[in-house]
Amino acid sequence: DTGVSQDPRHKITKRGQNVTFRCDPISEHNRLYWYRQTLGQGPEFLTYFQNEAQLEKSRLLSDRFSAERPKGSFSTLEIQRTEQGDSAMYLCASSLNGDRGLYGYTFGSGTRLTVV
Amino acid sequence: QQQVKQSPQSLIVQKGGISIINCAYENTAFDYFPWYQQFPGKGPALLIAIRPDVSEKKEGRFTISFNKSAKQFSLHIMDSQPGDSATYFCASSNSGYSTLTFGKGTMLLVSP
Repeated sequence: DTGVSQDPRHKITKRGQNVTFRCDPISEHNRLYWYRQTLGQGPEFLTYFQNEAQLEKSRLLSDRFSAERPKGSFSTLEIQRTEQGDSAMYLCASSLNGDRGLYGYTFGSGTRLTVV
Repeated sequence: QQQVKQSPQSLIVQKGGISIINCAYENTAFDYFPWYQQFPGKGPALLIAIRPDVSEKKEGRFTISFNKSAKQFSLHIMDSQPGDSATYFCASSNSGYSTLTFGKGTMLLVSP
């Protein structure tokens, strides 16, 4: 499978617990993005990496959220002390740089988080 | 602060009809306008995209019309098929930054 892979597909957690999601991008893509999508809404940008460097973070990314991309390959998104408002689909996407990147922006199938 | 406004929220079209979804943007720095298609349980998939140097782009049954002065663009799906039933999102980007700002989506149902 040469697409963007996300794990797990579903996660149910109790409020206050920490959760971690993983994203494996398309191998030749050097940019990796995290978006959040709530029911009935479009995806909202959270953060993105170029190689291992985290270049931009949205105001949506509170201090309970942290993302890493060690060695510029896979990425993890961790949410600490989860709240019910964190329930959403977390989408990962990858692309190349520049114009080639915009036209090759590929999303994974997402991780659906439910906080109970 | 919603920078991309999409309408309608939902749309029902008969098989063979034309589906039209509209978007309006606010940020004049945006210069890349894609449409994404999303099926339940899947991530969005790029359908078609346009730059503001052209007013229309067609790929198969899908056409984007772009009006720079009005800051509006629309997706037309010709000869709509039941397999087109999905949620469609418009998005915009300042290509220098590459992050996408999405509309709220339109749920399209094509009846057989």
